[in-house]
Amino acid sequence: DAKTTQPPSMDCAEGRAANLPCNHSTISGNEYVYWYRQIHSQGPQYIIHGLKNNETNEMASLIITEDRKSSTLILPHATLRDTAVYYCIVRVAAGGTSYGKLTFGQGTILTVHP
Amino acid sequence: DSGVTQTPKHLITATGQRVTLRCSPRSGDLSVYWYQQSLDQGLQFLIHYYNGEERAKGNILERFSAQQFPDLHSELNLSSLELGDSALYFCASSVSTGTNYGYTFGSGTRLTVV
Repeated sequence: DAKTTQPPSMDCAEGRAANLPCNHSTISGNEYVYWYRQIHSQGPQYIIHGLKNNETNEMASLIITEDRKSSTLILPHATLRDTAVYYCIVRVAAGGTSYGKLTFGQGTILTVHP
Repeated sequence: DSGVTQTPKHLITATGQRVTLRCSPRSGDLSVYWYQQSLDQGLQFLIHYYNGEERAKGNILERFSAQQFPDLHSELNLSSLELGDSALYFCASSVSTGTNYGYTFGSGTRLTVV
């Protein structure tokens, strides 16, 4: 699986958009970008994933650059409850013995301030 | 409630002992994944089962073993416990191992070895 690089921490004001960057310059054509978050020792929570098109769901938007070497997770209106560690994960496509696992890095600690 | 049930929530045991952690996946999910999260190692993939069969192994120690039963619940057995095994152990499940499916994590079992 390709490695990802994320800033160790970020701050955001409540009500503002939080933009979390992720670099995955060695991503392969068949690898997806996944985002999870973990709120204070709870189980990680799936947020969104994408291959090359931008994606949006009720939680967030995912913007993937055209060359797929980086992406940005956008929380449009951050709340205090969005304070968490956010993980950007690149995962191989189906096939082989390793495609089932997610490789978590250190993630970005997002702190949302009142 | 994510739908993935892990028991017990907390476990305190002595060095050298053996414990069993249990995971019931979401209804309909065939895949179960085990992860270990310690303070210094982050989230580490241990093992993946799909419909009763082992599919992938990560950094799982020989003292640890797992299995998935016909009713799809899974157990992680940890033996000859050491202080360093103290960690949060998470179970996750998914319908399949294909990349279009996010994982759902349980709330974890906090193991303390004294």
